Amino acid sequence: GQQVMQIPQYQHVQEGEDFTTYCNSSTTLSNIQWYKQRPGGHPVFLIQLVKSGEVKKQKRLTFQFGEAKKNSSLHITATQTTDVGTYFCAAHPPFSGYGQNFVFGPGTRLSVLP
Amino acid sequence: EPEVTQTPSHQVTQMGQEVILRCVPISNHLYFYWYRQILGQKVEFLVSFYNNEISEKSEIFDDQFSVERPDGSNFTLKIRSTKLEDSAMYFCASKGSEAFFGQGTRLTVV
Repeated sequence: GQQVMQIPQYQHVQEGEDFTTYCNSSTTLSNIQWYKQRPGGHPVFLIQLVKSGEVKKQKRLTFQFGEAKKNSSLHITATQTTDVGTYFCAAHPPFSGYGQNFVFGPGTRLSVLP
Repeated sequence: EPEVTQTPSHQVTQMGQEVILRCVPISNHLYFYWYRQILGQKVEFLVSFYNNEISEKSEIFDDQFSVERPDGSNFTLKIRSTKLEDSAMYFCASKGSEAFFGQGTRLTVV
């Protein structure tokens, strides 16, 4: 089955430092989504990337989809304590429609020290 | 913002008992999912549901599990005979172009 890997598993940063998490798939993806889960909360949708090489920004967050559509990254500039949580990528297999299962990566847990 | 509602928020049950977890998805969505998350671990897919039938299920979703949409609004997950290892947070998700997750039901099997 499809495998979605994420690195690192954990990241501790000082407030103000940058943070990046990487998502890699063993197969070409139809699209990729990113979710954030605060401690004790539920996953919340952040963004979806569809096109090869796509880059999207949300304030301090930058999302990239690789040219081969097998990897993606989420970069946070100048982290704040509100960025604490686990960031998951979720991928649709190739040739899948919206209804099919999307596979979550294991997540990167971010801690931000004030 | 659209909201997926799950009840109960916490369920404690004895091993071997049946539990039903309930979800009210977003009304105009067509795709529904159950996921589980064991404490501190990743979100694991259980089952997807479309057009009143299961469209995909994982290895976790064995004969002890079933899903229903009994009245066109609620979406339920039933575990027939709970085991200790079923203890986890269970999330329902409702999907259009993006997935909205409920707050989850924390199931504790003792």
